[in-house]
Amino acid sequence: EAQVTQNPRYLITVTGKKLTVTCSQNMNHEYMSWYRQDPGLGLRQIYYSMNVEVTDKGDVPEGYKVSRKEKRNFPLILESPSPNQTSLYFCASSLSGVAQPQHFGDGTRLSIL
Amino acid sequence: GENVEQHPSTLSVQEGDSAVIKCTYSDSASNYFPWYKQELGKRPQLIIDIRSNVGEKKDQRIAVTLNKTAKHFSLHITETQPEDSAVYFCASGHLNYGGSQGNLIFGKGTKLSVKP
Repeated sequence: EAQVTQNPRYLITVTGKKLTVTCSQNMNHEYMSWYRQDPGLGLRQIYYSMNVEVTDKGDVPEGYKVSRKEKRNFPLILESPSPNQTSLYFCASSLSGVAQPQHFGDGTRLSIL
Repeated sequence: GENVEQHPSTLSVQEGDSAVIKCTYSDSASNYFPWYKQELGKRPQLIIDIRSNVGEKKDQRIAVTLNKTAKHFSLHITETQPEDSAVYFCASGHLNYGGSQGNLIFGKGTKLSVKP
């Protein structure tokens, strides 16, 4: 089954403790992206990747890192999480960029205390 | 930077009525406009999209119109049903000559409630 898999689905952690949210897709998609969703603010793009080893900042990249060493994986790294990063995070992928349907994962709800 | 304004933030209609959601964008270079539907507790899913070389696109009960001069686009849902209840997001993206760019800007969403 074609899918985008995020892990973990839920995480409660403390300020400053490094964490990684993994994202994997099995559709051989070139494009992958991370969004955060906050009430009243919609979806905001954090980082995206057009292909392996090619990443770029979205609208709200501060406090986040990403890497794209393999086509299927696009982990989101919070080196020193802070409470303002408490949010619902979605990973998405598409065949070749924003002009293709974005396939979203089920989301990861992060709470930073 | 690029900004997408979406209105209204909430919309309540009776089953069978039509619903219209409107978005405006600021970057005149934007040329791709998708709409996503997000049901409660679920992931966003693409329902329709339009490119700037087209003024209108329909898919059964859903249609999207684009006015490039005014820089706004709208989602029209006819004969609404309770299962249309969800949050709808518009977005805009900039396609380069190679076919695609990476940055997609979303509106803040419209919560549509369809009452039986």
